[in-house]
Amino acid sequence: QKEVEQNSGPLSVPEGAIASLNCTYSDRGSQSFFWYRQYSGKSPELIMFIYSNGDKEDGRFTAQLNKASQYVSLLIRDSQPSDSATYLCAVIWGNQFYFGTGTSLTVIP
Amino acid sequence: DAGITQSPRHKVTETGTPVTLRCHQTENHRYMYWYRQDPGHGLRLIHYSYGVKDTDKGEVSDGYSVSRSKTEDFLLTLESATSSQTSVYFCAISEFNEQFFGPGTRLTVL
Repeated sequence: QKEVEQNSGPLSVPEGAIASLNCTYSDRGSQSFFWYRQYSGKSPELIMFIYSNGDKEDGRFTAQLNKASQYVSLLIRDSQPSDSATYLCAVIWGNQFYFGTGTSLTVIP
Repeated sequence: DAGITQSPRHKVTETGTPVTLRCHQTENHRYMYWYRQDPGHGLRLIHYSYGVKDTDKGEVSDGYSVSRSKTEDFLLTLESATSSQTSVYFCAISEFNEQFFGPGTRLTVL
């Protein structure tokens, strides 16, 4: 059984703080990991992907991957109210994407 | 935004009726996917396609069928809709791992 686990939250952070979102996965065979953002009533949008161990930075977002511990995380620096959304972690096994249930983030002005 | 459209965007139907949802892409991506999203369950894969006439089952395929006769179109059919199929349905496309989603279809089965 391939599982992707996320804390559902809600996670609340003040504006300007760092938001930290975590995800664990069950199968060591996966090579590709993704973070999606989903606003209420909208479709998921891809914000980051990471394939290699370590950190990958894109603007205010940093994805961190540790394959030995089977977790991937997303850091959002200088959090803004517009970052308030549900964040989905996804992992590819074979041709299929497996999603976590998402973490709800609220950034308080 | 990736060129993905879904139709209809909203539909209300009755138990036992057939329903077909359409996904259309203009990106010429090889892979197309149908997901459903329900509270507490997240996104779950129903079926996917890896080419014209090539499809495979996902995690929650019972009660659903799909067809792909052209690269750009992927149809999802509920042969006899049930109330448990009330959900938001998303189509997605991908070519090289990165996956992009359509706007979604909200289906209500009464």
